Amino acid sequence: DTAVSQTPKYLVTQMGNDKSIKCEQNLGHDTMYWYKQDSKKFLKIMFSYNNKELIINETVPNRFSPKSPDKAHLNLHINSLELGDSAVYFCASSQFPGQGNEKLFFGSGTQLSVL
Amino acid sequence: SQQGEEDPQALSIQEGENATMNCSYKTSINNLQWYRQNSGRGLVHLILIRSNEREKHSGRLRVTLDTSKKSSSLLITASRAADTASYFCATPWGNTDKLIFGTGTRLQVFP
Repeated sequence: DTAVSQTPKYLVTQMGNDKSIKCEQNLGHDTMYWYKQDSKKFLKIMFSYNNKELIINETVPNRFSPKSPDKAHLNLHINSLELGDSAVYFCASSQFPGQGNEKLFFGSGTQLSVL
Repeated sequence: SQQGEEDPQALSIQEGENATMNCSYKTSINNLQWYRQNSGRGLVHLILIRSNEREKHSGRLRVTLDTSKKSSSLLITASRAADTASYFCATPWGNTDKLIFGTGTRLQVFP
């Protein structure tokens, strides 16, 4: 009964392809996030959604499009993949948004390799 | 850059020794969090310390916070091989739920 689960764990694809990563949380949290971790382990927020509404959209290319069909799911679709998109993408959730006081629960990550 | 800095970048110790990691951040905060990341896994929350707290304990973990110096430290006492992981501090950006993570410290504990 994994709290935050994301699939796939590994994704290897060619440049120019379109791919999606799925994320689901069973914690009943209202807020979900996508973070990107590069090869140097720097972790940076990409998006956050609160109850299906986009709250944070960092300076991310519009090739990245998050979609939240309901508050338990936040998927990430990436168009026209580029070499620089290779990274580990983490989904996370938290309970009380907007106060900066709540801890994040992370998924186990999706390692994306663009060849 | 918004990112906080952690030092050391890497730390190697023997089992039983204590490990201390430091974090410096750039803006005023209302709390600071520490996370652990095992190799190939997601981050796991360890401890949260609020801006009006100076020290907090959780098991073998001790966290201090000095808001005047914008710095925090994480002490792991009596380390174990299972403590081998990367450790990150994180601070909220203003009153938002956007967490800014530090650069991380890679801890290796040898049996």
